[in-house]
Amino acid sequence: GAGVSQSPSNKVTEKGKDVELRCDPISGHTALYWYRQRLGQGLEFLIYFQGNSAPDKSGLPSDRFSAERTGESVSTLTIQRTQQEDSAVYLCASSLAGTSGRVGTQYFGPGTRLTVL
Amino acid sequence: AQRVTQPEKLLSVFKGAPVELKCNYSYSGSPELFWYVQYSRQRLQLLLRHISRESIKGFTADLNKGETSFHLKKPFAQEEDSAMYYCALVTNAGKSTFGDGTTLTVKP
Repeated sequence: GAGVSQSPSNKVTEKGKDVELRCDPISGHTALYWYRQRLGQGLEFLIYFQGNSAPDKSGLPSDRFSAERTGESVSTLTIQRTQQEDSAVYLCASSLAGTSGRVGTQYFGPGTRLTVL
Repeated sequence: AQRVTQPEKLLSVFKGAPVELKCNYSYSGSPELFWYVQYSRQRLQLLLRHISRESIKGFTADLNKGETSFHLKKPFAQEEDSAMYYCALVTNAGKSTFGDGTTLTVKP
């Protein structure tokens, strides 16, 4: 079946512009994660959605970052007034809830490479 | 707050040699631990998880709660094992933390 998809695959923008990144999770996956991966670094947790629960936004680096999810489907990550330090690959992952409510294996999208000039 | 540490950024071994990728974690609760792998030009994907207690592609990892470690091991490395490996911890609230990753190179 279809995996996690993300769009666009590449985005080049000018400093100060807003960008919107999209993630389409695997159908039926209740959990959805956003991560940021800067060049040569690991994955930095941004936000986590689980079903109808309030999202865990503890990883969002500033109030310029926000994310929404429509039910258990598509999610968008919005970065307002982009800065050069926002340049990174943004990864989305989805997952089924595991046993005892825990999250199971995460399935990753291909990522969106954001470049802020 | 939870933390995952992978002390080796780069690891290079010869084909047929044993390999161990280290992962240490800190978390006050009972974690779920995973190893994910990213081969060249592919997506990040699950390699194994501690609750499965299985061997995937010859790799195993044992959760040592006393040492708070989840090291990944393989007795005989193959060239196709060359990849980026990430250790990840998921809390009982679902929050996910990844290590910085280890790039494994297996030389012929």
